[in-house]
Amino acid sequence: EAGVTQFPSHSVIEKGQTVTLRCDPISGHDNLYWYRRVMGKEIKFLLHFVKESKQDESGMPNNRFLAERTGGTYSTLKVQPAELEDSGVYFCASSQFSAGHPYEQYFGPGTRLTVT
Amino acid sequence: AQKITQTQPGMFVQEKEAVTLDCTYDTSDPSYGLFWYKQPSSGEMIFLIYQGSYDQQNATEGRYSLNFQKARKSANLVISASQLGDSAMYFCAMREDYQAGTALIFGKGTTLSVSS
Repeated sequence: EAGVTQFPSHSVIEKGQTVTLRCDPISGHDNLYWYRRVMGKEIKFLLHFVKESKQDESGMPNNRFLAERTGGTYSTLKVQPAELEDSGVYFCASSQFSAGHPYEQYFGPGTRLTVT
Repeated sequence: AQKITQTQPGMFVQEKEAVTLDCTYDTSDPSYGLFWYKQPSSGEMIFLIYQGSYDQQNATEGRYSLNFQKARKSANLVISASQLGDSAMYFCAMREDYQAGTALIFGKGTTLSVSS
């Protein structure tokens, strides 16, 4: 079974440009999460989808960030326009209820975003 | 407020020795789950072990065990018989309402270095 995949693995853009990150969750997982880790700080929650609906977007930093999940499958996270403080590693995770490991979240490898 | 504290920025251990990585948490929710993830230099987040707040026994997964002390609100990870491949960053995380698919709250992480 394929794990969570993310594309691209690394993106370098200039301040003011737009970047779109993609996440493909594990097939059949209804829950999809975006997290971000800024250098030296904790991994912070951004938002949570259940299928195609946004369940919780309390962690989204501002309206320059837009997340979508088409048909409850893959998700995209767009940053427009990018600012220097948006640099960091963006992780996607997915989960589904299973006995013994309720809603264990499986993480993708992350996208390292560098804004110059 | 929910919070995870990892007070050890770095830990050093020799091969075959045991090591304990500290984690304390704060929550007012009686129902929560505690997780440990490993992040090697390659960047992916690997789930290691899970402990539910109502679990009577400490969780174990192979060489990993979780020393859960509920009254002290601590959930330390114990790695027995360390291996060179254990060198990585380790994150403690918590999720409130552990039966639901809510987001994880992470600590800042501990970097473990295993030497031969």
